[in-house]
Amino acid sequence: DAGVIQSPRHEVTEMGQEVTLRCKPISGHDYLFWYRQTMMRGLELLIYFNNNVPIDDSGMPEDRFSAKMPNASFSTLKIQPSEPRDSAVYFCASSPLRLSSSYNEQFFGPGTRLTVL
Amino acid sequence: AQSVAQPEDQVNVAEGNPLTVKCTYSVSGNPYLFWYVQYPNRGLQFLLKYITGDNLVKGSYGFEAEFNKSQTSFHLKKPSALVSDSALYFCAAYSGAGSYQLTFGKGTKLSVIP
Repeated sequence: DAGVIQSPRHEVTEMGQEVTLRCKPISGHDYLFWYRQTMMRGLELLIYFNNNVPIDDSGMPEDRFSAKMPNASFSTLKIQPSEPRDSAVYFCASSPLRLSSSYNEQFFGPGTRLTVL
Repeated sequence: AQSVAQPEDQVNVAEGNPLTVKCTYSVSGNPYLFWYVQYPNRGLQFLLKYITGDNLVKGSYGFEAEFNKSQTSFHLKKPSALVSDSALYFCAAYSGAGSYQLTFGKGTKLSVIP
């Protein structure tokens, strides 16, 4: 398996532009997570999906952020309009179905480094 | 609210010496605990997890972690550090209360000195 795939790996854009980050989870995984990592705030969960349905988006910072999962093999995180404070590394992760009385580890993609000028 | 604390921002250890990276947690239900490692410009890689059972958990690359319920700790250990172990280490926890939110500590930078 190729693991979680994210694109692009690096994105540089100007304030006000729309940014779309893409993720392909590991085949067969039922959960998909979007995280943001910054020096100041560490790793933050933005949103997660179960079977393509958003379960918890309480971590999405504001309405400028939106995420979709149109099918089991693809998800997007969109920022519109982007601002300099959105500069961070964005990670996508996926995880298999949770078994009763257990939790499975999450498998992370390589991340997208976003710079908003 | 659940939380994970890593009290040390950085740990320095000489190559060949044992290493410990500390983690304490606070969760409302049964703890499900994880350690991840992050190398520069890479995503997080899973090292090991505690779900239930033995308090000493063995994981990848010779790492192990000790779960201590009374001290609410889950310290990462390795008997003999390698220079290649130098990386950023994250402790994380699920609360086990039906939520699938994984709460991460702020990370500890481990530097192994040759």
